[in-house]
Amino acid sequence: KAGVTQTPRYLIKTRGQQVTLSCSPISGHRSVSWYQQTPGQGLQFLFEYFSETQRNKGNFPGRFSGRQFSNSRSEMNVSTLELGDSALYLCASSLGPGSEDTQYFGPGTRLTVL
Amino acid sequence: QKEVEQNSGPLSVPEGAIASLNCTYSDRGSQSFFWYRQYSGKSPELIMSIYSNGDKEDGRFTAQLNKASQYVSLLIRDSQPSDSATYLCAVNGGNAGNMLTFGGGTRLMVKP
Repeated sequence: KAGVTQTPRYLIKTRGQQVTLSCSPISGHRSVSWYQQTPGQGLQFLFEYFSETQRNKGNFPGRFSGRQFSNSRSEMNVSTLELGDSALYLCASSLGPGSEDTQYFGPGTRLTVL
Repeated sequence: QKEVEQNSGPLSVPEGAIASLNCTYSDRGSQSFFWYRQYSGKSPELIMSIYSNGDKEDGRFTAQLNKASQYVSLLIRDSQPSDSATYLCAVNGGNAGNMLTFGGGTRLMVKP
């Protein structure tokens, strides 16, 4: 079974621009979560989508947004980029609701903001 | 503020030894606990999951959970140089949905 895929793998943007990242979950997985990883803050939860609905949201500004499509694929968008948005953005997929739901990570998108 | 704490290390062990990694969490309502391994420049890879008190073994790995003490650990037996990586402890709270809170990770170095 193919794993979680993320595109693009690398991005370089300048301050003030916006960016859209894409994630395709493992086949059959309906929940997609997004995380930001930086050396200073570690891995932090951004948001989770299930059945095209945002179920949880982390403590990030409104510049960070996301959506999920009917085929469970998800995108996240960051508007008005800041230098501090430089990070590895990770997408994780899981089957869906359940106390033993397990998330599997994609390879990540490395975003550099200049 | 839900917190997950890990010793950042590095934890250095000789090849063939047992590596013991520890994690504490603050949210008593947490229900699911995970260990991920992350090699430098790569994404986290699931090693173990544990949901109930006690031990869970999978090959060279054993996860231990003690909810009363809010403590999770990972033992790696017969450590190999290829086990050298950062190990991330992650906790999923009791609320609906997936929202993993990660510890800062422990860097493990296995010396030949």
